[in-house]
Amino acid sequence: DQQVKQNSPSLSVQEGRISILNCDYTNSMFDYFLWYKKYPAEGPTFLISISSIKDKNEDGRFTVFLNKSAKHLSLHIVPSQPGDSAVYFCAASAPRGSSNTGKLIFGQGTTLQVKP
Amino acid sequence: EAGVAQSPRYKIIEKRQSVAFWCNPISGHATLYWYQQILGQGPKLLIQFQNNGVVDDSQLPKDRFSAERLKGVDSTLKIQPAKLEDSAVYLCASSLRHLGKGETQYFGPGTRLLVL
Repeated sequence: DQQVKQNSPSLSVQEGRISILNCDYTNSMFDYFLWYKKYPAEGPTFLISISSIKDKNEDGRFTVFLNKSAKHLSLHIVPSQPGDSAVYFCAASAPRGSSNTGKLIFGQGTTLQVKP
Repeated sequence: EAGVAQSPRYKIIEKRQSVAFWCNPISGHATLYWYQQILGQGPKLLIQFQNNGVVDDSQLPKDRFSAERLKGVDSTLKIQPAKLEDSAVYLCASSLRHLGKGETQYFGPGTRLLVL
């Protein structure tokens, strides 16, 4: 049962344009969401997060939007740079006391390629 | 601040052999996680330690996988005997406390295992 889904395996954008990565989830108990970036041969690196009490969080070129009614979140990168080329994972956690005990559930990842 | 250290980085073994991975978390981090990442998928939690106690091992195949975190610092993950489907990247992560709002997991570079 895939509770967190990233339906686009890959995305290609031109340098300077906006990259939009999408993520859907099924468990309404999730209350904290994160995006990680992963380069080849490295571990995932934390990028940005959002709590379910918010609908937007911004950090420099990165903005995460959360639509709780649609159980959907997205990561916007503006402007995109070639160094942003990596695999992006969204992850979700539920509060302690639920069946997920606060652990992170990851999506399958989306490979972003930013072309110069 | 030193990151999460893992060794070895790569390991090739034959099926039915045994293998062990080592992880040293960020100093002072109470919570340690082992994830399995199969090619094309997101990381999947195998086991979660809070200090030296197990918090969640619900997805650990206990007939062949074992893990320990002696003294609440370093951890080892063992597979005995290995199967072909164990080929994956094994990621170790740590966080300051048990995951809560605003808590971030920091990942090591991973150990890439190939079972022939």
